[in-house]
Amino acid sequence: EAQVTQNPRYLITVTGKKLTVTCSQNMNHEYMSWYRQDPGLGLRQIYYSMNVEVTDKGDVPEGYKVSRKEKRNFPLILESPSPNQTSLYFCASRGGGASEQYFGPGTRLTVT
Amino acid sequence: GQNIDQPTEMTATEGAIVQINCTYQTSGFNGLFWYQQHAGEAPTFLSYNVLDGLEEKGRFSSFLSRSKGYSYLLLKELQMKDSASYLCAVRIGNAGKSTFGDGTTLTVKP
Repeated sequence: EAQVTQNPRYLITVTGKKLTVTCSQNMNHEYMSWYRQDPGLGLRQIYYSMNVEVTDKGDVPEGYKVSRKEKRNFPLILESPSPNQTSLYFCASRGGGASEQYFGPGTRLTVT
Repeated sequence: GQNIDQPTEMTATEGAIVQINCTYQTSGFNGLFWYQQHAGEAPTFLSYNVLDGLEEKGRFSSFLSRSKGYSYLLLKELQMKDSASYLCAVRIGNAGKSTFGDGTTLTVKP
């Protein structure tokens, strides 16, 4: 089954404790992105990648890092999480051309 | 910068037609997408426009005018299950950048 998976789905952590949210897709897609979604603010792009070793900042990259060492994986790293990073996070992937994005199920992160 | 506007909330009656508008001001426009998102779930793709005109897909249609920076999503024969948030998104350039509007929450009433 074609899908985007994220882990963990839910995470409660404390300020300053490094964490990684994994994202993997099995569709051989070139493009991958991370978004956060907060009430009333829609989806905001954090980082995106157009292929292995090619990443770029989205609209809200502060406090986040990403890597794209393999085509299928695109982990999101929070080196020192803060409460303002409490949010719902979505990973997405798409193929080239006019293709649409496929979203993972989301990761609900709470930083206390 | 990039700016996308859509109404926050709309209400419609089951069986009716509703139009959700989206206006955008962006540089590097490379297509406009509509997604549906039910509460607590991931967005799912509805439609795509890159050229001016109407794209029809079953009960859903989407229209684009690039010169006006305007799109709309038309939902016909509304069903209760159409109650959801509808997200307008613009693709910028070819490197993977996308900007989303804040979404329109549609409530379908019996």
